[in-house]
Amino acid sequence: GQQVMQIPQYQHVQEGEDFTTYCNSSTTLSNIQWYKQRPGGHPVFLIQLVKSGEVKKQKRLTFQFGEAKKNSSLHITATQTTDVGTYFCAGIAGGGNKLTFGTGTQLKVEL
Amino acid sequence: EAGVVQSPRYKIIEKKQPVAFWCNPISGHNTLYWYRQNLGQGPELLIRYENEEAVDDSQLPKDRFSAERLKGVDSTLKIQPAELGDSAVYLCASSSRTDQETQYFGPGTRLLVL
Repeated sequence: GQQVMQIPQYQHVQEGEDFTTYCNSSTTLSNIQWYKQRPGGHPVFLIQLVKSGEVKKQKRLTFQFGEAKKNSSLHITATQTTDVGTYFCAGIAGGGNKLTFGTGTQLKVEL
Repeated sequence: EAGVVQSPRYKIIEKKQPVAFWCNPISGHNTLYWYRQNLGQGPELLIRYENEEAVDDSQLPKDRFSAERLKGVDSTLKIQPAELGDSAVYLCASSSRTDQETQYFGPGTRLLVL
């Protein structure tokens, strides 16, 4: 079945440093979504990318969808303590409508 | 607008006992999802409803899990009997007909089976 892997599993940064998480799917995706889950909370939808090579920005967050539509990345510039949480990518395989979540990257930001 | 509502928020039971979780999706959302999230992992889909019809239950362990959404609004997920490995967070999500791909998650029910 479809597998979605993320690296790294964990990342500790100092406040102000940049952070990137990478997402790789075993199958071609029709779209990729990103969610943030705060400790003890539930996943919150951040963004959806649909087009090959698409790049979207939300303030300090930059999202990319790979040309082959099998990988994606989330980059946070100048992290803040409010960025703490686990970031999940989730993809829908081409032709289907089931969302498969990645393994997640847990981000910790230290002062 | 109220979000997805789930109850209870926490449940502790002994193994072999039954347990049920309830979800009320965002008003007007026709699609409802139940996910299970194990510690340190991403959510895994258990079942998806379009109105009252279960359109994807391929990941639901049917020997002990059951779900219903009789009137196409709120839904119940049941486990009977619960096993130790069922300890997890059970998340409900919903999406609308006009934006099927954006899922809104509820706060989840944290289940501990002893």
